[in-house]
Amino acid sequence: SQTIHQWPATLVQPVGSPLSLECTVEGTSNPNLYWYRQAAGRGLQLLFYSVGIGQISSEVPQNLSASRPQDRQFILSSKKLLLSDSGFYLCAWSGQGYEQYFGPGTRLTVT
Amino acid sequence: GENVEQHPSTLSVQEGDSAVIKCTYSDSASNYFPWYKQELGKRPQLIIDIRSNVGEKKDQRIAVTLNKTAKHFSLHITETQPEDSAVYFCAASKITGGYNKLIFGAGTRLAVHP
Repeated sequence: SQTIHQWPATLVQPVGSPLSLECTVEGTSNPNLYWYRQAAGRGLQLLFYSVGIGQISSEVPQNLSASRPQDRQFILSSKKLLLSDSGFYLCAWSGQGYEQYFGPGTRLTVT
Repeated sequence: GENVEQHPSTLSVQEGDSAVIKCTYSDSASNYFPWYKQELGKRPQLIIDIRSNVGEKKDQRIAVTLNKTAKHFSLHITETQPEDSAVYFCAASKITGGYNKLIFGAGTRLAVHP
């Protein structure tokens, strides 16, 4: 069966510091991968999606970037964090079907 | 672009009652409509979904209905239990270029009181 991992689970970073969040998927090949952000008490905003290695599409202009160095690895980065980057970051995957499944998430607090 | 509106934002019911959450979407080409349940501090969990070629789908106490003409779909939970308390999100998408771009509603906070 498929499993999706994210780390770290929680992170507290000062404004202006860099960021790297990692997502990996097991048990499937060539998944579609997605990064979402959820602000406190809010809905889910799609940030990036990827249909293959090195293929990244951005949904909103922002302080973040994404990379997919391997088939089942998806990385979210920032060079300098802003206070507004705080939130719950969720990675998700989908296969040949329509269903999309979320990872456990990373709770980021920028201070 | 696609927009999904979800109502109500909060819903409070007594245990055993039914709960209904409604969503409308703007893009008539949307063909996939999932519902997610998110408990406090946890990831969203897919609980049921429906495709545009089906009008209704049921799984035990939960059901989803779709009205393509009116562009709205609803989640129905019968015989609610306290463990149904969570935030529920609807979403809509159309499969494009092999990926599934979900547009989410703002969520409904459901509270089931014993």
